[in-house]
Parts: sequence; structure tokens; C-alpha cells
Amino acid sequence: DSGVTQTPKHLITATGQRVTLRCSPRSGDLSVYWYQQSLDQGLQFLIQYYNGEERAKGNILERFSAQQFPDLHSELNLSSLELGDSALYFCASSARAFSSYNEQFFGPGTRLTVL
Amino acid sequence: EDKVVQSPLSLVVHEGDTVTLNCSYEVTNFRSLLWYKQEKKAPTFLFMLTSSGIEKKSGRLSSILDKKELFSILNITATQTGDSAVYLCAVEETSYDKVIFGPGTSLSVIP
Repeated sequence: DSGVTQTPKHLITATGQRVTLRCSPRSGDLSVYWYQQSLDQGLQFLIQYYNGEERAKGNILERFSAQQFPDLHSELNLSSLELGDSALYFCASSARAFSSYNEQFFGPGTRLTVL
Repeated sequence: EDKVVQSPLSLVVHEGDTVTLNCSYEVTNFRSLLWYKQEKKAPTFLFMLTSSGIEKKSGRLSSILDKKELFSILNITATQTGDSAVYLCAVEETSYDKVIFGPGTSLSVIP
């Protein structure tokens, strides 16, 4: 158990809908990272937040947005869902801003299925 | 475009064999290279490499980085069935603080 929690575990929804994925980092970790893992694309970095501020952006679509709240939990919002958004979404946390100086701990993931 | 390539994509070996997994990268501003092990759940961290030629070891696993040739290898000696997993290589770059993952190598160790 990494100490990172993600809810829900599974989510099934229809195209065009909007969902929110939630992540609670390990106690004391200030950085939260979001990743998308699909069969054809592998693990893709989406976005990173550090202490409430956006720190780095990867391959995140405009239909997706995220935020980190004062209590350091983070939410990833996915809107106008398409079939291709079906994937496993991981959240990871680390103590500091730059993951080079400390490892990322991954949560169990949220499996999103868009029908 | 930044990219990370891993080979082989899939590997089946017998218990006790030694395997070498390869990771090559093209990244504009390299910061570090990371290896993760992913079983049927979230990736778990194995190694972080920032300097060329310095081997990192953890039990039967070891890894080394060559920043001149832009590649890294992950060695697993005396493989066990518990080593069966997907091994992910990722590279951090400094320009946008991005992490780029390779496609992974799926390792199956059979008794």
C-alpha cells in the first residue's frame, strides 16, 4: 500500500458525460501527478500540481482539467467524454516539486470505461 | 519530439535465467531516468539514474545509465516467477518538467 488513495476504483459512464476522479496523496506529500494508461498509448503523464499550483503539463486534453485543493487532495475532471478516454487513471504523489529528488508513489488507479 | 523506446516489448524466460531490458531515449533536456515495475496494479519505483556509469543495485536487480549513448539497461539475475511484470522506463526532462514513459517490457517468468 503506497499511501495514495484514489476514488472511485471503477467508473462506467456514457459518451458526452463528465466525471471527476479524486486523489489523496501520502501524508506530507505536496506534489500530485496524474497519469493516463491505455492499452494503445501506454502510461502518459497528464499534469502535476505542487502545493496547490500547477507545476507541469503533459499530454492533457483541453477537455480535461485538474486542481489541487488546500488540503492537498486533487481532482481530475474529464468532460465531453469519448470512447477513447477509457483508460486507467493513476495519481501519484511525491514529497517535493521535482520528482528527481524523490520517488513518486502511485495510487491504485481509477478504471474509467466510456460506453 | 521526446520519446522513450523499450526493447524487447515482451519476453518469456525460465526461472533462474538472467534478463536484460533496454531503454533508449531522445529527450531535449534530460534530468533523470526512472525504472518502475508494474504488476496488476500501480507502478512501483525501482531505480532513479542521473549519472552515467554508476550502477544501482537492489537485490537481484541492477541498472546503469549511459548518457552519451542515451540508453539504460535493467538487469535481473536468477529470475523468479514473482519478477513477472511490466517494466516501465521513464525519462524526466527539465524544460517543462515532463515525465515521458516508454511502452514497457512485459516479462513472464515460467517455472
